[in-house]
Amino acid sequence: EAGVAQSPRYKIIEKRQSVAFWCNPISGHATLYWYQQILGQGPKLLIQFQNNGVVDDSQLPKDRFSAERLKGVDSTLKIQPAKLEDSAVYLCASSFGGSTHNEQFFGPGTRLTVL
Amino acid sequence: GQNIDQPTEMTATEGAIVQINCTYQTSGFNGLFWYQQHAGEAPTFLSYNVLDGLEEKGRFSSFLSRSKGYSYLLLKELQMKDSASYLCAVRDFSGGYNKLIFGAGTRLAVHP
Repeated sequence: EAGVAQSPRYKIIEKRQSVAFWCNPISGHATLYWYQQILGQGPKLLIQFQNNGVVDDSQLPKDRFSAERLKGVDSTLKIQPAKLEDSAVYLCASSFGGSTHNEQFFGPGTRLTVL
Repeated sequence: GQNIDQPTEMTATEGAIVQINCTYQTSGFNGLFWYQQHAGEAPTFLSYNVLDGLEEKGRFSSFLSRSKGYSYLLLKELQMKDSASYLCAVRDFSGGYNKLIFGAGTRLAVHP
């Protein structure tokens, strides 16, 4: 079974530029998550989708971050404009919802460096 | 509020046993997960506890005490490849939906 796919793996941009990340979850997983992981910290949830609806975006800085999951499958996360403090790894995860543990499966992440 | 505490770093010797503790405070506890994360890689699922007690899975075991807000991950017969960060994560249902809250992680270094 294919895992969670993310692209790009690495991105370097200058502050005030925009950037977009893409995620394709595991087939059949209804719930999709975007996390921000700053070096030395645990992942912090930015947004959670159930199919194509937003369940939680309380920690998403909405003045500069946006995310969508239009067809309930893959998703994009955008930052516009980027700030230095946005340098982090952006992890996408998905979960089935019907499994016993409902554990989340993570993609390899996109490492963003803002100069 | 929600709070998860775990030690920042630990070191251990190959072949030994190590216990990584995690304490948490949350209003809508609905399970606790342990994830392993090697440097530069994604977290991978290790274990899940929702009831009090010990869950054993090969060399790894995880314990939960809901009344004490406490969990530990026990790693036996340590191998060099166990050098990684171990993330304690609590599933919280206080908002009417499940949300995973991660601790900062414990960086484990296994040396020969």
